[in-house]
Formats: sequence, C-alpha cells, structure tokens
Amino acid sequence: QSALTQPASVSGSPGQSITISCTGTSSDVGAYNYVSWYQQHPGKAPKLIIYEVSNRPSGVSDRFSGSKSGHTASLIISGLQAEDEADYYCKSYTNRSTPYVFGTGTKVTVL
Amino acid sequence: EVQLVESGGGLVQPGGSLRLSCAASGITISRFWMTWVRQAPGKGLEWVAIVKPDGSVKQYVDSVKGRFTISRDNPKNFLYLQMNSLRVEDTAVYYCASGLAAPYALDLWGQGTKVTVSS
Repeated sequence: QSALTQPASVSGSPGQSITISCTGTSSDVGAYNYVSWYQQHPGKAPKLIIYEVSNRPSGVSDRFSGSKSGHTASLIISGLQAEDEADYYCKSYTNRSTPYVFGTGTKVTVL
Repeated sequence: EVQLVESGGGLVQPGGSLRLSCAASGITISRFWMTWVRQAPGKGLEWVAIVKPDGSVKQYVDSVKGRFTISRDNPKNFLYLQMNSLRVEDTAVYYCASGLAAPYALDLWGQGTKVTVSS
C-alpha cells in the first residue's frame, strides 16, 4: 500500500498562510471523510490537529483548518508562527487490507 | 493524567524477537481501538497495527503480517506488540496511540520506544 502523497517541504513568512496537500486515491482519501492531520516537532510524538477532514480537537489553534476535494485533502495554516515549524502528516482510512495509511510528510519552514 | 507509556525497545539481532508494551493510565483502554505506529530514523510515520476493544479484530500493515502480533490485556490496561523475525528495516521508534474523542484518528500518543535491529 502506497503512502499518501504530500509535498516534501512548504515554507512561508510569519503571518502568511500556507497549504499542505495530501493526495490519495478512490480507495482512501476519495472514499472516506476520515482524513486526519498530525504535527510533529523534532524528537516528539505526533499531535493530532485535524480529524475527519476539517474538525479541530479541543485546544488546537483555529489557525489550523482542513478541507477535502476529490482525492486530495488539504491542511491550511493561517497566520504562520515560528512554533508552526514542524513536520506534518496526513492519515486516511482505506478500504484496502491495511485500513490506515499515512502521508509522506511535509516539513514546514517559517522563514 | 491521561497517558500512554511504551517500553520494551532495545537492540536486537536480525531474526530475533522483542515484545513492546504500552501502559495506559487515566483511561480504560477496553473502550478504545489501540494502534501501533512506527517511524524509522529520519523517515515518516508508518501505521503498523490495530486491535479492536475486545481484541477480536486485529489488522496489520503488509510488511509485518505473519511476524508481528498485536494484543491487549484490558484488565491490566496494557497493549502489546510481539515482534518476531525482526529485520533491519524494522528499526524505528514505535508509538502506541489511540483515538479517544475521534475513533478514526489518533489523539493520544505515547512517547515512543526505540527498536534497533542490527548485527
């Protein structure tokens, strides 16, 4: 099972907005609204920031938002801050033998 | 405090075995699906295995099928991953995780335990 496709890196200046894409297929992202997004700082465990495409867990900044169109999900970070510099991963439920798959990961750099 | 704490990682030779444990506190894991995720050095996250709350359903990523076994002891509030026939490519930090508020996501993670497979 192939990982979902994300850009390797995205960068932006403080205050700007950036978008991270997560491209899958009709067996995963395109089939279910069970896309979640995770933020991981170096040496730390991942943290859930978006679930079910566009829902934010309690305590997560509203600068993070999610959407989906067809086979591609997107994470939008608005008002970029230095603390947003981290790796970001999408994850989707699938109808294959392996029920979940992560994206390839995107390194966000705040310029 | 709600937390998951993994243990059992270490250095093992190719072909060897290791059992990882994940101790839960502040929650009763019997209500939740429990998951193992791994991350090879410098690489991305890889979903590894999941077990249903009552232990009746277990699913695995293809690369570990037949070698790894996920299990749980609900009365003790523990999750396990028995890893046999280990390969160099199994080297990774292994995280246990669960979806408490969002069943199809992972909103509670442990700190991870490092597994190194090397001769």
